[in-house]
This record gives sequence, structure tokens and C-alpha cells, in this order.
Amino acid sequence: EIVLTQSPATLSLSPGERATLSCRASQSVNSYLAWYQQKPGQTPRLLIYDASNRATGIPARFSGSGSGTDFTLTISSLEPEDFAVYYCQQRDNWPRTFGQGTRVEIK
Amino acid sequence: EVQMLESGGGLVQPGGSLRLSCAASGLTFGKYAMTWVRQAPGKGLEWVSTISGNGDTTFYADSVKGRFTISRDNSKNTVYLQMNSLRAQDTAVYHCVKGGHFSAYDIWGQGTMVTVSS
Repeated sequence: EIVLTQSPATLSLSPGERATLSCRASQSVNSYLAWYQQKPGQTPRLLIYDASNRATGIPARFSGSGSGTDFTLTISSLEPEDFAVYYCQQRDNWPRTFGQGTRVEIK
Repeated sequence: EVQMLESGGGLVQPGGSLRLSCAASGLTFGKYAMTWVRQAPGKGLEWVSTISGNGDTTFYADSVKGRFTISRDNSKNTVYLQMNSLRAQDTAVYHCVKGGHFSAYDIWGQGTMVTVSS
């Protein structure tokens, strides 16, 4: 099973700041990595698929990069609605796995 | 608009069974793999099972293998999750999700709560 380790567990930032979230895989997942956003009480939403492709309707301030075992989600300038939990997920191997999540909170 | 609507959750005793259903609309259902993802209260996301578009291929997490069965009826645009021998650790919101075989999970249902408790 591929283990995805997200860091940091919690990121405390102010609106307008840049957020950098990391996801590291225990073995290569090629570029088959996605990022999801989940706000309290809401369903997860796909942000990025295949490492760097924004999903439909996702603002340009969200970007993804990486391949192999190291991936990054960057939010260029945090908006109030971006404070949420973010998960990475791989679809290179079965079983599919998620990271444990990074909480982005208001400082 | 593509939508997924889950049903069938509830309170069940340990060892019991439940069958979840997910009715999809707004898409050519048989073209897409479908997946169940669960989230225990206050916890992260856990992949449970995926079924291919034509239903021929299925995948399961080790934690549910042998107890859960995923199936689909493309004539009814519906995917099912039969859950047997339920355990307290299966308590979670179960989301029906579009995709998962050759794609990310781009459309999520609101979920149905399953509580396993005596």
C-alpha cells in the first residue's frame, strides 16, 4: 500500500498569504496524484488532478506541481473561503490511498 | 448537472448488514467507474471500493474485503454497496463518487451516515 504523508498537519496563515502544502508518497505514483478541499460540514471538492491540472471551476490561485514521490499544492494568495482541510490522493496503485490531511487555519 | 444521491444508511448492530444505494443523474452512467469513499466522524477520507463502468471489475480496501460487495445497475443509473458483518469501525459517512479507475474523484454525493453500535 502506498502511504501518502502530508505536511504540515496544520498551517496557520493570514488572508493574502501564500500557502504551500506538501504530499510525499512512499513510492512513486508517477503523476497520478489529486488534491481535494473539504470545508467543515461539506463534501470534498476536487481541486487538482494528475498533479498539476486544475479541475473545472477551480480558481487560478490554486496550483499543483510534482511527480514521482513529492508533490506540492500552492495557494498563491489565501482568500477567506480557502481555510479548510486539504487531502492528497493517489490513483497509481490499488488500494487507492489518501493522505491524512493538512488543515489551513486563519492565523 | 451531474448529481449523486446516496441512501440506505442508518443504525445497525455489530454483525448486521446494510445496503447503500447511489442514484446518479446528468451523466452517461455506464461510461464511468464509480467509487465509495468513507469518512469516520472527525477523521480523514478512506477509499472503500471501486467498480468499473461495465461492472466487470471491482476493487476493495483490505479493511472491507470479504464483507462488502460493490455492484451497479446501469439501466437504473445506480451503484450499490452491500455491507455485511458490520463492525464499529465501519461507522462513517459513506460518499458515492464518480470516477476512480482511470480518473480522480470529480463528483461527490453528500453521503449517507452508517452507525454500527449496539
